[in-house]
Amino acid sequence: QVQLQESGPGLVKPSEILSLTCNVSGGSVSSERNYWSWIRQPPGKALEWIGYISNTGSTSYNPSHKSRVTMSLDTSKNQFSLKLSTVTVADTAMYFCARDRFGDYLDGFDIWGQGTMVTVSS
Amino acid sequence: SSELTQDPAVSVALGQTVRITCQGDSLRMYYATWYQQKPGQAPILVIYGKNNRPSGIPDRFSASDSGNTASLVITGAQAEDEADYYCNSRDKSGEQRVFGGGTKVTVL
Repeated sequence: QVQLQESGPGLVKPSEILSLTCNVSGGSVSSERNYWSWIRQPPGKALEWIGYISNTGSTSYNPSHKSRVTMSLDTSKNQFSLKLSTVTVADTAMYFCARDRFGDYLDGFDIWGQGTMVTVSS
Repeated sequence: SSELTQDPAVSVALGQTVRITCQGDSLRMYYATWYQQKPGQAPILVIYGKNNRPSGIPDRFSASDSGNTASLVITGAQAEDEADYYCNSRDKSGEQRVFGGGTKVTVL
């Protein structure tokens, strides 16, 4: 059974880079046809898709954040990562990683991490 | 702004049926997936595809779609169904994903 666990700093200063990692256990980030998404949720607000990275390293980002987002895959550690640059208080949110069955019969997020809260504050 | 529109809140009497809708042009081409989120928890997938439930999801959850509207139906709502529900699908380009704004379901 695949499980996901987010990790990273809980506090980031404005204008700095937010860096999060999602560790995958019980499966491989390189498994064919798997995509890996990042999703966030500001306090009291709706879910927002940030982007995904495929098992081959191709990416797709939400146009709202495209200029600030970088996602990467580390197959040796079985992890994938998110970097969000030039953060502001508006980036304060719970950040979730999820397995994304993009393009297959499920075409959605079937496995989620528990989430990690990131606060942007000086 | 979200390309998928949901009503902010609905309420249902215990044991009755409630329909949660999600509207968007991309739903004419792609199915919606539906997620249940309880306070302090990660979302869980409840419906995918035309009308499919992952293992462990009660059969009182079902889905339907018509034109640009996808619906999640809870038949015989239980107290434990009180939660926020989000739809998700692709955007009109088909290359990206978008969430609806979420619907808070209250079971009376």
